[in-house]
Amino acid sequence: AQTVTQSQPEMSVQEAETVTLSCTYDTSESDYYLFWYKQPPSRQMILVIRQEAYKQQNATENRFSVNFQKAAKSFSLKISDSQLGDAAMYFCAYRSANSGYALNFGKGTSLLVTP
Amino acid sequence: DAGVIQSPRHEVTEMGQEVTLRCKPISGHDYLFWYRQTMMRGLELLIYFNNNVPIDDSGMPEDRFSAKMPNASFSTLKIQPSEPRDSAVYFCASSLRIRPQHFGDGTRLSIL
Repeated sequence: AQTVTQSQPEMSVQEAETVTLSCTYDTSESDYYLFWYKQPPSRQMILVIRQEAYKQQNATENRFSVNFQKAAKSFSLKISDSQLGDAAMYFCAYRSANSGYALNFGKGTSLLVTP
Repeated sequence: DAGVIQSPRHEVTEMGQEVTLRCKPISGHDYLFWYRQTMMRGLELLIYFNNNVPIDDSGMPEDRFSAKMPNASFSTLKIQPSEPRDSAVYFCASSLRIRPQHFGDGTRLSIL
């Protein structure tokens, strides 16, 4: 079974600064997808960004970008120009491309944004 | 376009009672997932369906839990009898094939 590890239970960043959230995963598969989801206090699960394992280019979505290192099985999320609205729990998730499409989530990182 | 709709948003009930959680997936989506979120275990898959057929129910904790999907637009998750340790947030999500999953707002369940 695939496991996803987020080693930072909590992170803090000042408004307008940049922060990087870490995620590592364990898999024997070569084809899969990786995601970052944001969960604000309203408890919605909001897709932030996704990465296909077969793509070498790192995904970007406005202020959000990833550093995908397939050999190292690492998938970090960088948030640039942090805003107060970025404060939330962030979950890294793995999804197989071939055997079952359920998401395996990490335990999450709580991001605090200070003015 | 309506997202995934879950009801109720909150449920408080006494131990031993039957609990039914409901989910309406996004129209046209062929996969439906039920997840549970707790502080101790995080987000974990309970069961998922493809074209209304249960594919993997290995995450269902015990026989007290059951899930059905009678048609493409409706699914239920039942707990009978409920226990305090079932208290959690239950999410339903749907997707079209391998595309990203869309989550409902979740049901916060409290068993007293």
